Amino acid sequence: QVTLRESGPAQVKPTQTLTLTCTFSGFSLNTIGMCVSWIRQPPGKALEWLARIDWDDDKYYTTSLKTRLTISKDTSKNQVVLTMTNMDPVDTATYYCARIHSNRYYFDYWGQGTLVTVSS
Amino acid sequence: SYVLTQPPSVSVAPGQTARITCGGNNIGIKTVHWYQQKPGQAPVLVVYDDSDRPSGIPERFSGSNSGNTATLTISRVEAGDEADYYCQVWDSSSDHQVFGGGTKLTVL
Repeated sequence: QVTLRESGPAQVKPTQTLTLTCTFSGFSLNTIGMCVSWIRQPPGKALEWLARIDWDDDKYYTTSLKTRLTISKDTSKNQVVLTMTNMDPVDTATYYCARIHSNRYYFDYWGQGTLVTVSS
Repeated sequence: SYVLTQPPSVSVAPGQTARITCGGNNIGIKTVHWYQQKPGQAPVLVVYDDSDRPSGIPERFSGSNSGNTATLTISRVEAGDEADYYCQVWDSSSDHQVFGGGTKLTVL
């Protein structure tokens, strides 16, 4: 059974760095083709893809946020970490992690999401 | 970057057929995936690779893709189908995942 769960602070202040952790089970990021992405959704708005990390440690970032994002993995812990620097109120959103295969390109399993509010 | 365009809303009576479109430049040569999102919940994959259904998704959900438009069709719509629907593709030129703006399906 595949599960993913996001964790991190519910609130951060403007200019701070956000660190989110995705803890997963039921698959391994050591398996060829396995990848994990982060996706966010501001309240009442659409989904926005942020980043992806692959089994071979290749990393991809959305162009508009590339300078602020870092994605990494700890395969021994079955975790993927996303950091976002210089947080702003417009970054207030629910952040999801999701599994994706490198040759299928759809998200077949999602975490429940974690709401992050940026406010002073 | 690649852009996907969806109508903000679609309304349909119970038992009728809902069609939700996803427009993109030559989207027919890409593979399109569709997600259903109910309030307060994470998205759920309902159609992948243009027209395939994950296990557990009713046959009422189907998809097609040609030219500049992909379509999610929901037959015999039920009240429980009321949700936001998102299309998604992989943009090979940037190796980015791209989502459409979402369509709110209202069951009258």
